[in-house]
Amino acid sequence: DAGVIQSPRHEVTEMGQEVTLRCKPISGHNSLFWYRQTMMRGLELLIYFNNNVPIDDSGMPEDRFSAKMPNASFSTLKIQPSEPRDSAVYFCASSLAGSNSPLHFGNGTRLTVT
Amino acid sequence: QQQVKQSPQSLIVQKGGIPIINCAYENTAFDYFPWYQQFPGKGPALLIAIRPDVSEKKEGRFTISFNKSAKQFSLHIMDSQPGDSATYFCAATSGSRLTFGEGTQLTVNP
Repeated sequence: DAGVIQSPRHEVTEMGQEVTLRCKPISGHNSLFWYRQTMMRGLELLIYFNNNVPIDDSGMPEDRFSAKMPNASFSTLKIQPSEPRDSAVYFCASSLAGSNSPLHFGNGTRLTVT
Repeated sequence: QQQVKQSPQSLIVQKGGIPIINCAYENTAFDYFPWYQQFPGKGPALLIAIRPDVSEKKEGRFTISFNKSAKQFSLHIMDSQPGDSATYFCAATSGSRLTFGEGTQLTVNP
């Protein structure tokens, strides 16, 4: 099992550019989560999907952020336009549906917006 | 809105010591309390978890103590090792939503 795969590992972009982060969940997992980690705010849930359907996007900070899950094996998080305050590590995680199912995290994408 | 409070922010112990990390929550709808361990450059990984109908759970050198009436829980690491140096997050779940504490950076000196 390759685990949750995220790409790219690092992204450096200029303010105003579009950024797309990608995630491949563990095969068979039907819940997918996007988290953002910063020193100031810790780990924040941005959005999560069950069976490819967005369930709770209340953590998405602004309309500049959007997430899609076109199929069970792929999800994207897009920021358009990006701003310096978006700089953070973005994690994708997947799990089997159910409140006691552990989350399996990818190794994250470190985003730097200059 | 931070619903899980974690302390201390950082902790330094000597090898063999017993670091203790504390968490408190407010939402009584939380029904599952996992702890995650994160090494630099990696995502958090599940370490140990407990349900509110149990007061203590032990797995190897890691023990969770849970006080439902006080809405508090803690992680104890017995015989700590330098390899335990990492950031530890407590968390609480309600349904599929997992809320994390602020994290504790643990350093175990040789």
